[in-house]
Amino acid sequence: GQQVMQIPQYQHVQEGEDFTTYCNSSTTLSNIQWYKQRPGGHPVFLIQLVKSGEVKKQKRLTFQFGEAKKNSSLHITATQTTDVGTYFCAGPGNSGGSNYKLTFGKGTLLTVNP
Amino acid sequence: DTEVTQTPKHLVMGMTNKKSLKCEQHMGHRAMYWYKQKAKKPPELMFVYSYEKLSINESVPSRFSPECPNSSLLNLHLHALQPEDSALYLCASSQDYGTGGDQPQHFGDGTRLSIL
Repeated sequence: GQQVMQIPQYQHVQEGEDFTTYCNSSTTLSNIQWYKQRPGGHPVFLIQLVKSGEVKKQKRLTFQFGEAKKNSSLHITATQTTDVGTYFCAGPGNSGGSNYKLTFGKGTLLTVNP
Repeated sequence: DTEVTQTPKHLVMGMTNKKSLKCEQHMGHRAMYWYKQKAKKPPELMFVYSYEKLSINESVPSRFSPECPNSSLLNLHLHALQPEDSALYLCASSQDYGTGGDQPQHFGDGTRLSIL
């Protein structure tokens, strides 16, 4: 079925450094979503990208959707310790027949050294 | 504060026990989901309910039995679970199911389940 590949698996940065995680699909996606899960917490919806080439910003976070709608990235500028967690991208994947489901990438675990 | 409430937060049960996980949302969402999440892994979809009807069962073993009593409530009945079923069980909801995978989902805090 549909797979969304996400890299890197882990990223450790010093506080103040930038961070980027990348998501790739072999097929065109109708949309892509990003979620953050803090250690011991639950996934929290961050944003949804729908349009080709779309760029959205949330304070220090910048989300991009590729022109071909097959890849996406999340960039964090000047990381803070509050950014620690696992960032998941998620896109529609086939669940059999005409059913689709949200399929999560494997996630990127971000740790920040203060 | 999460808008999707799950109980209990923690559950330890033996392999012969019967228990139920509960989920409640009051956002007027018409799609509700059960996910299973193992440590350091992404959430894996188990079931989808759309307008209180089961839309997707991801080939989940029959020892897991979902129930949607009304549009706000979702239960997961557990019976004769195996140690490998130990995981975080997450409930989520979305405005509706749409065409699947295109609606942002709101997750509850989850139930941490341990099978002895």
